[in-house]
Amino acid sequence: DVKVTQSSRYLVKRTGEKVFLECVQDMDHENMFWYRQDPGLGLRLIYFSYDVKMKEKGDIPEGYSVSREKKERFSLILESASTNQTSMYLCASQQVSTGELFFGEGSRLTVL
Amino acid sequence: KQEVTQIPAALSVPEGENLVLNCSFTDSAIYNLQWFRQDPGKGLTSLLLIQSSQREQTSGRLNASLDKSSGRSTLYIAASQPGDSATYLCDDTGGFKTIFGAGTRLFVKA
Repeated sequence: DVKVTQSSRYLVKRTGEKVFLECVQDMDHENMFWYRQDPGLGLRLIYFSYDVKMKEKGDIPEGYSVSREKKERFSLILESASTNQTSMYLCASQQVSTGELFFGEGSRLTVL
Repeated sequence: KQEVTQIPAALSVPEGENLVLNCSFTDSAIYNLQWFRQDPGKGLTSLLLIQSSQREQTSGRLNASLDKSSGRSTLYIAASQPGDSATYLCDDTGGFKTIFGAGTRLFVKA
């Protein structure tokens, strides 16, 4: 079975802190995604990556950056966390041949 | 730009009922269609994937169909159980972009 692991299920940070959210997949997928999910707004794409060191902005990239140094790992970085970044963050990897997405368990971030 | 609408937004049914969840797309050029369930506070769990050359998929009590000509997909759940209570989302997963509906929140009463 495909496994997508997000390093932290719950985080509490203070405004201005730098935050790293890590995501690891074990199926050698080329494509990986970061979303945030908020009540009433659904899933919104922040960034995606289609290969090592390659990244593309999604719909809401402002305030975020990403890093993909190894194929299995895709990191989301909040350079200076703000309260409006309090959200559930979801990572996914995608099997290119079928388009099928596989999600991690999510990371709930609270910024105080 | 592709938009996805899921109807109904919420549904409450007694245990044992058969039910249908709907997903509509503004652009009928759907690549692959994937259905997920999400439990509160958790990630998305893949239920069924209908690839571009297929029209339906079945897994246990679940059946999903895709009508590209009308830009619609339905998820049929047979003999619903309280454990089916969750939010169900559909996704047009084509290429690098993925477009999600807002979901249908399902509550199955024992």
